[in-house]
This record gives sequence, C-alpha cells and structure tokens, in this order.
Amino acid sequence: EPEVTQTPSHQVTQMGQEVILRCVPISNHLYFYWYRQILGQKVEFLVSFYNNEISEKSEIFDDQFSVERPDGSNFTLKIRSTKLEDSAMYFCAATGNTEAFFGQGTRLTVV
Amino acid sequence: DQQVKQNSPSLSVQEGRISILNCDYTNSMFDYFLWYKKYPAEGPTFLISISSIKDKNEDGRFTVFLNKSAKHLSLHIVPSQPGDSAVYFCAASAGTSGTYKYIFGTGTRLKVLA
Repeated sequence: EPEVTQTPSHQVTQMGQEVILRCVPISNHLYFYWYRQILGQKVEFLVSFYNNEISEKSEIFDDQFSVERPDGSNFTLKIRSTKLEDSAMYFCAATGNTEAFFGQGTRLTVV
Repeated sequence: DQQVKQNSPSLSVQEGRISILNCDYTNSMFDYFLWYKKYPAEGPTFLISISSIKDKNEDGRFTVFLNKSAKHLSLHIVPSQPGDSAVYFCAASAGTSGTYKYIFGTGTRLKVLA
C-alpha cells in the first residue's frame, strides 16, 4: 500500500506559538488533505489542496491555518498562533480519484 | 450537522461470528462510500469502498452493502478475528464537489472476543 509520511509524530507547543506539521504525500496523487481528530471525536475535514491551491476548506480552517506545498514534495500545515483547542491528531491524506491514503498522524499538544 | 452517522459507538462479537457495522447518511449527493479501520495513535487505514452505482462490494472477509433508498450502508466482517478489533469509520464523499473530501462518521469500536 502507498505511504503518506508525517513528521513529527508528536509535537508539544505553548499556546500562542506557531507550529508547522509536515507531510510527504504520494507523489503521483492529485489531491492532498488535512484532517484532524480531537480526542474521542470523529475525524474532521480541514482543507483540500489541488493544483497548488486550496480547493476547499472547512469552517475550522480559519485565518490561523495555512497550507502550502513549496517544493512539490512536502505538504505543510501551519497554525500561526496555537490555542488549547487545537490539541488533536492531525492527519495528512492523499488521493488520486478513489480512496484516500492517510498518514500515521501528528499528535499536537498545546499547553 | 451530522451528514454521516454511526449510531452504535461500540460492538462486541465472538471470534468466528459475523460483525455488522452500520452507517447512515443524509446527503443524497454522496456517491462514494468507504470504510476505514483505525488503531489508536495511527492514521485511518482504508478497508473497502463502494460506488453509488453498486449495492454490494466484497473483498475477502469484508463486504459492504449500500441501500441508496434508505441512505444506509453496512460493513460485514465474516468470520470476525481478534485482529479486527479497532475503531471503524464510515466515510462518504460527493464526487461532484470536485475535491473528493470525506465526511466521516463518529466511528464504531469493534471488539472481537477470543
């Protein structure tokens, strides 16, 4: 099965700090996504990225969030000023036109 | 607004028996449905999918059934094995949206008892 790799596996940050979560998606896939799962809740869509731009974003994805794929390889999610409620597992995913493959996730803990 | 619902948060099944996980959806634009399996501290792993043009798809021990009129799908695992113990998420997408984003259900924790 194709692999989507995410780094770091766990990130602890202080409230108000910026964090960057990194993902290396499958190179020949077309769509890239970020999802998150707050502990005990469902997996929620954050943003989709296609052709080097955001194609759709959810209400969660406010001005504090941004995504980019600067070098055609890494796909990053930046949170500018973290809040306690940003603590969650963040999953990167990639898809061609069928099922999406998910990374193992980054656990973000905001203290 | 829960467009995808999994009303059973947990399910326990004896090893060797059938596990049936259910999922309901409300958005008639959904045309592709998937089941993902998730272990703690790992990402969701794709299990099986079904397009809205079909009513059944089978892959080994896993079968997904789709009832479009009832907006209901189910995942059957037979025979169930202890290694199947995990949280199962139903997901749906509307291809016409162009982004193939998934809307996930809340998950059902399956425990297969040896």
